[in-house]
Amino acid sequence: EDKVVQSPLSLVVHEGDTVTLNCSYEVTNFRSLLWYKQEKKAPTFLFMLTSSGIEKKSGRLSSILDKKELFSILNITATQTGDSAVYLCAVEAGGTSYGKLTFGQGTILTVHP
Amino acid sequence: NAGVMQNPRHLVRRRGQEARLRCSPMKGHSHVYWYRQLPEEGLKFMVYLQKENIIDESGMPKERFSAEFPKEGPSILRIQQVVRGDSAAYFCASSPLSRTSRIKDTQYFGPGTRLTVL
Repeated sequence: EDKVVQSPLSLVVHEGDTVTLNCSYEVTNFRSLLWYKQEKKAPTFLFMLTSSGIEKKSGRLSSILDKKELFSILNITATQTGDSAVYLCAVEAGGTSYGKLTFGQGTILTVHP
Repeated sequence: NAGVMQNPRHLVRRRGQEARLRCSPMKGHSHVYWYRQLPEEGLKFMVYLQKENIIDESGMPKERFSAEFPKEGPSILRIQQVVRGDSAAYFCASSPLSRTSRIKDTQYFGPGTRLTVL
């Protein structure tokens, strides 16, 4: 069974801090890894990663995938209170599981002013 | 371009009643996915549908739950004879992903329907 584990489960920081969120996975026939941000509504897409070692960046957020060690990290620099949310990591498998996302339990990030 | 739309946003049912949750995918998307998020838990896959076809229902409970995506109209997730344990947020996602063309694209999520069973 495909499995995704995120750490830490929760994190409290102050504005301006840098945070690193971790995601490890076990999946048969890996296709892609995705990061989402969930506030009190729909998960919002952040990144899709398919290749090892290639960093994806969007403003203060960046993410990288290591397919050999089966993990990904999401970095947020110069955090702001608006970054407070649950960050979800998901993996997509190929084959008969094509299209199905397996999610981790999420990391709750709280950024204090 | 409107995003994924779900209605109702909140639904309250008494035990034993039926719940119908609707999802309209983004324009141009023909693939729909339903996920359930129980309190304090992550999103769990339920079912993957294309128009008039169920592709993967491996995450769907065997009884009381059904899903459809007709040729016309929204996708429907139906829960019969609801129980308190069905209380959760139900999210729908859509993608233009083509199984045969291997185009990689992400799933875009709707705002969810929060079902409360009294």
